[in-house]
This record gives sequence, structure tokens and C-alpha cells, in this order.
Amino acid sequence: GQQVMQIPQYQHVQEGEDFTTYCNSSTTLSNIQWYKQRPGGHPVFLIQLVKSGEVKKQKRLTFQFGEAKKNSSLHITATQTTDVGTYFCAGQLMTTDSWGKFQFGAGTQVVVTP
Amino acid sequence: GAVVSQHPSWVICKSGTSVKIECRSLDFQATTMFWYRQFPKQSLMLMATSNEGSKATYEQGVEKDKFLINHASLTLSTLTVTSAHPEDSSFYICSARPHGDEQYFGPGTRLTVT
Repeated sequence: GQQVMQIPQYQHVQEGEDFTTYCNSSTTLSNIQWYKQRPGGHPVFLIQLVKSGEVKKQKRLTFQFGEAKKNSSLHITATQTTDVGTYFCAGQLMTTDSWGKFQFGAGTQVVVTP
Repeated sequence: GAVVSQHPSWVICKSGTSVKIECRSLDFQATTMFWYRQFPKQSLMLMATSNEGSKATYEQGVEKDKFLINHASLTLSTLTVTSAHPEDSSFYICSARPHGDEQYFGPGTRLTVT
């Protein structure tokens, strides 16, 4: 079954507001990646987190990896209309073999209203 | 750099026929390629992992005889949907993994089986 859960599935945000999407795994992750998929497009890699408690920032996006390496979050500040899309987390499980498979969360679909 | 192409981008076929989808890494070599399937408004689901020169590893529930994968070279992997049925209609996305940590996704192939 689904081992990587992502919440919320849907996020309606007013332009200028902040929001956070969360990713939770039932097992410890080796690392986690975040992707953004624009409507009609394909997932584009955003970032990878590897270390326990790691925090990385990309302009208005802040990514965090939990201490237990079981959860992660993406926080976007001052949302803009260009942030519209679906944000996926993808966890690489600790039990994964060297081929590096990932399990994707269901995604958080973000809609931004001006 | 790190461009992955897929061909065709969109295909319509009749039930019972077979369709081949190509995934190419254009400017890098990828020993590992992944095939995903995405239903509308759902997450990417990993179908199989393809390693150059060896048999693909299929995820649970994915029929290996129906979804034939061939990773003939370090820049090309193909997915053949055999005896396609309407329930196979979906968006198929490949990704390629160079020696680094990132995965680079192709633009996807939309398959419609009539």
C-alpha cells in the first residue's frame, strides 16, 4: 500500500498568503525529493533532502526533513500565481536497493487566487 | 542539460494493438531509467525500473508480459504496451537517473486506447 502520504491533497491559497504541504512516511527514508508539476506538464525536480533535520531554501520555498527522516514539509511564503501546480514528494525508502526507487506521495494540488 | 525526451507525446490506438513508447536521455547517459504511470489527478505510480543491459524490475501488480521494457543502451529505454485495452489509457512518464541523485523526467506520453 501507499507508504508515503501527502497532505493536504488540495490547497486553495489567496495570493500573498503562506501555505505548507506535508509528506509522511510509515518507514524511515533514505532521502526525499520534491517535485512540481504544472497543469498539463510533467514533474520537475525541485530539491533533495538527505540529512536528518535538514532545511533548504529556494527563494520563497522552504523544505524541511524531519529528525526521524520520516516526514518532510514544503512551506511557500507570499504565494504567487506562478506557484500553481501539484507538488509531489518522493521518498526513497531505506530498504530500497541500489537502483534508487522512489515512492511518490499523492501530491498537493495548489490553486492560487489573485 | 539533463534533457529526457519521449516519443510519441500522444498516441491513440485501437484495442488489441501494441504501442511502443521511447524514452531517451539526450545529453547524458543513464544506467537506470524508470517508468511511471499517472492517471488524471493522481500521483505518479512507479511501474518498473529499467537497468541497461539487464531485465527490468516490475512493481507489484504490474504485468511484465503486458508492459515490455527494453533498456537497449545507456540513452534509450522503451516501453511496449501489448494488446492494449481502454483501461490502459493513461499518461506514461519515464525518468532517467545519471550517477547523481536527481531524476530527470520526460515530458510524458498520453495513451488513449479506443
